[in-house]
Amino acid sequence: ELKVEQNPLFLSMQEGKNYTIYCNYSTTSDRLYWYRQDPGKSLESLFVLLSNGAVKQEGRLMASLDTKARLSTLHITAAVHDLSATYFCAVLFYNTDKLIFGTGTRLQVFP
Amino acid sequence: GAVVSQHPSWVICKSGTSVKIECRSLDFQATTMFWYRQFPKQSLMLMATSNEGSKATYEQGVEKDKFLINHASLTLSTLTVTSAHPEDSSFYICSARDQRFVEQYFGPGTRLTVT
Repeated sequence: ELKVEQNPLFLSMQEGKNYTIYCNYSTTSDRLYWYRQDPGKSLESLFVLLSNGAVKQEGRLMASLDTKARLSTLHITAAVHDLSATYFCAVLFYNTDKLIFGTGTRLQVFP
Repeated sequence: GAVVSQHPSWVICKSGTSVKIECRSLDFQATTMFWYRQFPKQSLMLMATSNEGSKATYEQGVEKDKFLINHASLTLSTLTVTSAHPEDSSFYICSARDQRFVEQYFGPGTRLTVT
């Protein structure tokens, strides 16, 4: 069974600070996704990571994938209030179309 | 980009009635569609996978007789919640995928409240 865990589950951080969200998964996969969800809304795609060592950056967010360690990170640089949301990683179950979602990290950025 | 719509965006129904939710891929043909359920402050849980023209594959613990899924065309899948109960109240999100894409594209979600 594929399990996907994120930590922390909740993150309250001050504007301007840096932090990293971790996503661990339990079995082989070579495709990992990061999504953002605002309250009451559906998912917004942030990153698709397709291979070991992949790194992608968009604005203040940077995601990386280490398939050997079964670990992905989402790094936040100089956080701003607009980044407040819930962030999910999701792993494609190997040889299937199934996306298995992590537990989610609720990020709150305060002044 | 690829757009997926859902209808309705929210629905309130009485216990014991059935409600149908539609998921449409607007600008691509979706060979596979997925239905997820999300309870408040929780993650998304995959309910079922449907391929056009064939029966849906349900995840363990999801009652196929209660959650009827039909994927009759390459652009439309429907989820019918039969004999709804208050515990079925949730946020239902569909996604759609074309084999050409590496991503699934998510609909805006349908909030179901059963009274």
